[in-house]
Amino acid sequence: AQSVTQLGSHVSVSEGALVLLRCNYSSSVPPYLFWYVQYPNQGLQLLLKYTTGATLVKGINGFEAEFKKSETSFHLTKPSAHMSDAAEYFCAVSLTGGGNKLTFGTGTQLKVEL
Amino acid sequence: GAVVSQHPSRVICKSGTSVKIECRSLDFQATTMFWYRQFPKQSLMLMATSNEGSKATYEQGVEKDKFLINHASLTLSTLTVTSAHPEDSSFYICSAFHPGEGGEKLFFGSGTQLSVL
Repeated sequence: AQSVTQLGSHVSVSEGALVLLRCNYSSSVPPYLFWYVQYPNQGLQLLLKYTTGATLVKGINGFEAEFKKSETSFHLTKPSAHMSDAAEYFCAVSLTGGGNKLTFGTGTQLKVEL
Repeated sequence: GAVVSQHPSRVICKSGTSVKIECRSLDFQATTMFWYRQFPKQSLMLMATSNEGSKATYEQGVEKDKFLINHASLTLSTLTVTSAHPEDSSFYICSAFHPGEGGEKLFFGSGTQLSVL
């Protein structure tokens, strides 16, 4: 079985500041890890995913995440926040690389202030 | 990218009535779709896997007679909440699995907020 913990249901940053959204997972097998973003009134959109290979994964909109097996973490970062980054972010784990059966975290609402 | 349309986005109904939620893949054929439910401040929880032309596979603890899933075509899956009660009030979201080579595989609808009075 697998599970995901997202620390902080709400995160607030200033525009231009570093964004750090935390995600820790547990999995009985090597995990496939995902970050999704949900803008208001829209479906979840894939930001990035880790399957195998390089542990630093780059995604869309300047986001990246690093898989750290020793820390069972997959934190999401962006060097400089933009107002358009305000959204809900979900970390998820899957037993398959295609992500067709996901276990989600509770989500983190990111607020970007001027 | 691929588009998944979910309708309605919001529904309010009286206790005891049934509500149908539709999930359509607009520009691809999805042999497999998934239905999730999210209670406030909780994770999206997988309810069931919907396979075109066959019975849905329900997760443990999900009542199949209460949450009827039909996947009659390659582009449409429906979730019917039968005899809805206030405890069924939740956010329901579907996703469709795109079988194409490479790229993103799973696409989500925008969700349905169900409120049962």
